[in-house]
Amino acid sequence: SQKIEQNSEALNIQEGKTATLTCNYTNYSPAYLQWYRQDPGRGPVFLLLIRENEKEKRKERLKVTFDTTLKQSLFHITASQPADSATYLCALDSSASKIIFGSGTRLSIRP
Amino acid sequence: EPEVTQTPSHQVTQMGQEVILRCVPISNHLYFYWYRQILGQKVEFLVSFYNNEISEKSEIFDDQFSVERPDGSNFTLKIRSTKLEDSAMYFCASSKMERDSPLHFGNGTRLTVT
Repeated sequence: SQKIEQNSEALNIQEGKTATLTCNYTNYSPAYLQWYRQDPGRGPVFLLLIRENEKEKRKERLKVTFDTTLKQSLFHITASQPADSATYLCALDSSASKIIFGSGTRLSIRP
Repeated sequence: EPEVTQTPSHQVTQMGQEVILRCVPISNHLYFYWYRQILGQKVEFLVSFYNNEISEKSEIFDDQFSVERPDGSNFTLKIRSTKLEDSAMYFCASSKMERDSPLHFGNGTRLTVT
C-alpha cells in the first residue's frame, strides 16, 4: 500500500543546533516533494519544493534533499531558533491533481 | 501578499444539518482544493477542482459532499447532512498550476457537529 512516513512524531532540540526531519515514502513515484510548516490552529504554509531531478534545495537556513532511490527526503533547519518550533509536514504528488501529506513532525526548539 | 480567506472561522451545527464552508482563493490561481484535519491527525485530501469540474476526489468525499465555484471568486464545500465524525478543521487551498506548484492554504474553518 502507499505510505508517507515522517520519522518521528516529535523532535526536541537545543537552540542553535541543526534539526533534521525525515520523510519516507513507499509505492509512490512523485515528480516533486514539498515541505510545509503548520502552527497550531493555522493552515499549512509552504516552505520548499524539490523536484525529482534535483538533489538539494536551499532557502536561507533551510535545506531539503530528495533521494528517489532511497525514496526519502531530509529537511534541515540550521542554527535553529525557538521561533522554528512548529509541526513540519512533507507532501508529495500522488497524482497530477492530488497532493497528499505526511502526518508531520512536531519540532520543539528549547532555549 | 495575496492570501486565501475562509469563512466562517468556526461553525457549530447539529447532526443532520447542511453546512456550507466558504473560501476565496488567490485571484490568479486556477486550481482549488479542500482538505480536512481531524484534531491531532494528519491533513487529508478531500477534493481538487479545476475549470469548474472535480479533478480528483478521495474516498472521504462521498455523496454527502459537494463543491462549487458559484462565481468568479468563491469556492464552496457543502456537507449535506452532517455527522459527528465530520467534526474537523477544513482547509481550502489554491495553486497557480496543477503540477510543481505550492499550495496556498487558508486558516481553515473549524466545524463542530453536535
